Amino acid sequence: LAKTTQPVSMDSYEGQEVNITCSHNNIATNDYITWYQQFPSQGPRFIIQGYKTKVTNEVASLFIPADRKSSTLSLPRVSLSDTAVYYCLVGDGPQGGKLIFGQGTELSVKP
Amino acid sequence: GAGVSQSPRYKVAKRGQDVALRCDPISGHVSLFWYQQALGQGPEFLTYFQNEAQLDKSGLPSDRFFAERPEGSVSTLKIQRTQQEDSAVYLCASSWDPLETLHFGNGTRLTVT
Repeated sequence: LAKTTQPVSMDSYEGQEVNITCSHNNIATNDYITWYQQFPSQGPRFIIQGYKTKVTNEVASLFIPADRKSSTLSLPRVSLSDTAVYYCLVGDGPQGGKLIFGQGTELSVKP
Repeated sequence: GAGVSQSPRYKVAKRGQDVALRCDPISGHVSLFWYQQALGQGPEFLTYFQNEAQLDKSGLPSDRFFAERPEGSVSTLKIQRTQQEDSAVYLCASSWDPLETLHFGNGTRLTVT
């Protein structure tokens, strides 16, 4: 399973767009890229998943370059409620349950 | 609909006591996972069930940890002779099948004193 590297923390202000980049140099051909969000005292929650190019849903966008060695989670117009830890995961789905979360990026949104 | 439910929400145990943590997955979910999350860290895989079969228990840190899912629905994680290093949040997650995204419960926070 590929290891991921992402910033430990980020600060932003309400209304700004936030981009969190994750490096995964050893990503395998079958691997998908998945992002989870975790609020204090809650379990992680699935945000978005992609394989290549761009994926967008009602919450976020995921940009994946052609070499797939990195990915960027984009949160448009963040609000205070987006303050959370964001985890980038790489793998062929949760097969076997061995999702490797890493430490994640702690996003702090300020008013 | 109902999500993954875990109980108790908080558990305080004295060192050496046995504890049992319960997970009620989403109805019909075949796959069930347990994770351990230490303070300030990401969740770490403990074990995985498909129906009642425990297919992977490679993440269990010691033989004091035991998990079961006898009827393929509710699961229990048991920790015997708890130690202070067992203090963590224990998360349960379920999915329709192993390749689908996981739905997590809010965890049980275990504090061993």
